[in-house]
Amino acid sequence: DVKVTQSSRYLVKRTGEKVFLECVQDMDHENMFWYRQDPGLGLRLIYFSYDVKMKEKGDIPEGYSVSREKKERFSLILESASTNQTSMYLCASSQGGPHTGELFFGEGSRLTVL
Amino acid sequence: AQSVTQLDSQVPVFEEAPVELRCNYSSSVSVYLFWYVQYPNQGLQLLLKYLSGSTLVKGINGFEAEFNKSQTSFHLRKPSVHISDTAEYFCAVIPTSGSARQLTFGSGTQLTVLP
Repeated sequence: DVKVTQSSRYLVKRTGEKVFLECVQDMDHENMFWYRQDPGLGLRLIYFSYDVKMKEKGDIPEGYSVSREKKERFSLILESASTNQTSMYLCASSQGGPHTGELFFGEGSRLTVL
Repeated sequence: AQSVTQLDSQVPVFEEAPVELRCNYSSSVSVYLFWYVQYPNQGLQLLLKYLSGSTLVKGINGFEAEFNKSQTSFHLRKPSVHISDTAEYFCAVIPTSGSARQLTFGSGTQLTVLP
């Protein structure tokens, strides 16, 4: 069964802490994505990566960075967490070409920043 | 740039009744279209997709959708819903020659199936 695994389902952090959200996919997909999901705002793209070490900013990259050192792993980093980053974070992956839009999602990481 | 409009934010329906969730899009180029489902406290799951060919596409769990190019719509339908279909449904589009950056989601429709 194909899988996207997010390292933590629930996290509670304090303001100013550095936060790492890890995502691993086992499908050899080219593309990997980080979305943020908030009530009433739908899914908003933070960053995506189309290859190892390659990344592009999404709609809301401020306050976030990413790392993709291996094809199967895509990390989201909050350098200094703030309360307005309390949210559900979704990782996804997809093949390239016509299958770019066929995303496989992880179960999500719900982050609370106090 | 393209946009996706899901016309209904909430759709309540009784069990075993038919349902239609509406999706309209705007794009100056050809697009691929998708419907995703999100059950509570889970990630999204692909329900069905239109890439080419027949405009009526069938997906998992008895859902189907019809691509109407002239009306720029991709409405999702099910003839008889179950309690377990209660979830949020998202429509998405991407240009056929677009990058992953151009994948656009609608704001979602919460389907609630009532006993």
